[in-house]
Amino acid sequence: QVRLVESGGGVVQPGGSLRLSCAASGFTFNGYAMHWVRQAPGKGLEWVSLISYDGRSKKYADSVKGRFTISRDNSKNTLSLQMNSLRVEDTSVYYCARDLVAGLWQNWFDPWGLGTLVIVSS
Amino acid sequence: IQMTQSPSSVSASVGDRVTITCRASQDITTWVAWYQQKPGKAPKVLIYAASSLQSGVPSRFSGSGSGTDFTLTISSLQPEDFATYYCQQANTFPPTFGQGTKLEI
Repeated sequence: QVRLVESGGGVVQPGGSLRLSCAASGFTFNGYAMHWVRQAPGKGLEWVSLISYDGRSKKYADSVKGRFTISRDNSKNTLSLQMNSLRVEDTSVYYCARDLVAGLWQNWFDPWGLGTLVIVSS
Repeated sequence: IQMTQSPSSVSASVGDRVTITCRASQDITTWVAWYQQKPGKAPKVLIYAASSLQSGVPSRFSGSGSGTDFTLTISSLQPEDFATYYCQQANTFPPTFGQGTKLEI
């Protein structure tokens, strides 16, 4: 079955960096756009970033633009999110999610991974 | 695009019919999805393209609407339906979510 497993979360000081990974299995990874979506503790959902199935197109939320970089390795079925200049307000559970439809993105998210918690605190 | 859900919370009983509404700040045709999230779990999509039922989702869930006004209806609440529900627009970047509706017993 389709499976997404995030890793790399942890505690980091403001201004620090962290790299999240998402290991995908059970589907043709290089056929789907992938997303990162985050959720601050007790809060709602916020879309963070998209990468197209071939890695050529990338989009970011304004709140992370210039600080976060999304990438993928289709040979390893892995999605990544490099997070630099982290802020307290970046504290969230970070989910990787597949686009629902193969090919060009439609921005429906399914399935989702279990998430990885990032805490930015001094 | 801002998505505004109502109500923010609702109390209901098993067997009740429940409707949650979502209003977009501009016309998004049918580019809306609905997600269910249970505590400590990842969200899962129920409805996409306003009214398309995702595979494996029970038929008691339905979605409707177009333009700026959308609804999620649960025809007969089951115990496993008590959760938080989010609408999301996919018409324009960035994709945005409503603030959530907590469905409580």
